[in-house]
Amino acid sequence: GDSVTQMEGPVTLSEEAFLTINCTYTATGYPSLFWYVQYPGEGLQLLLKATKADDKGSNKGFEATYRKETTSFHLEKGSVQVSDSAVYFCALSTGTGANNLFFGTGTRLTVIP
Amino acid sequence: NAGVTQTPKFQVLKTGQSMTLQCAQDMNHEYMSWYRQDPGMGLRLIHYSVGAGITDQGEVPNGYNVSRSTTEDFPLRLLSAAPSQTSVYFCATRLAPSRTDTQYFGPGTRLTVL
Repeated sequence: GDSVTQMEGPVTLSEEAFLTINCTYTATGYPSLFWYVQYPGEGLQLLLKATKADDKGSNKGFEATYRKETTSFHLEKGSVQVSDSAVYFCALSTGTGANNLFFGTGTRLTVIP
Repeated sequence: NAGVTQTPKFQVLKTGQSMTLQCAQDMNHEYMSWYRQDPGMGLRLIHYSVGAGITDQGEVPNGYNVSRSTTEDFPLRLLSAAPSQTSVYFCATRLAPSRTDTQYFGPGTRLTVL
């Protein structure tokens, strides 16, 4: 079935370091791919998305490219800030039926000054 | 525009008790869903609805009931609470059951079952 495998955490970085969080997926249809972010004590909010192969999603300095050949959607940011500390979830919308979202296990990022 | 609201924020139950988690949205979204979030397991889909009067099961539906009598509301019922249902519950909505639509989440309900 459809699934998302996400890099295990937690990840701790110094401010201004480069961030990569790996995400790979398995899907039978033509999924859309998403990154959601959860700040402490809050619900999830959309960070970025890509709806077809080779699309790049970007927001707030974060980027991810939908790579069909490697079934990946890795999240990157060139220079992280303390305010980026959160849990990041990779997700796919199946592209079949009700297009439910399936989530990875989440990666906790802590950025230290 | 309140978006997606959930009540209560916190709840403690004893094993065997029943309760209803409330979810309401004012965005006129067709699609609504319930997830539970457990450490190391991400979010897992419990039930979902693609419109008023239509509901279906997700990955982990056992022990939960839902109904959708209006577009705005999608309550989740725990019939007989068990410690395994201790979790954080999120309601989420989308304009339509489309693979490209953004999903919006409520703030969550933290449930503890003793």
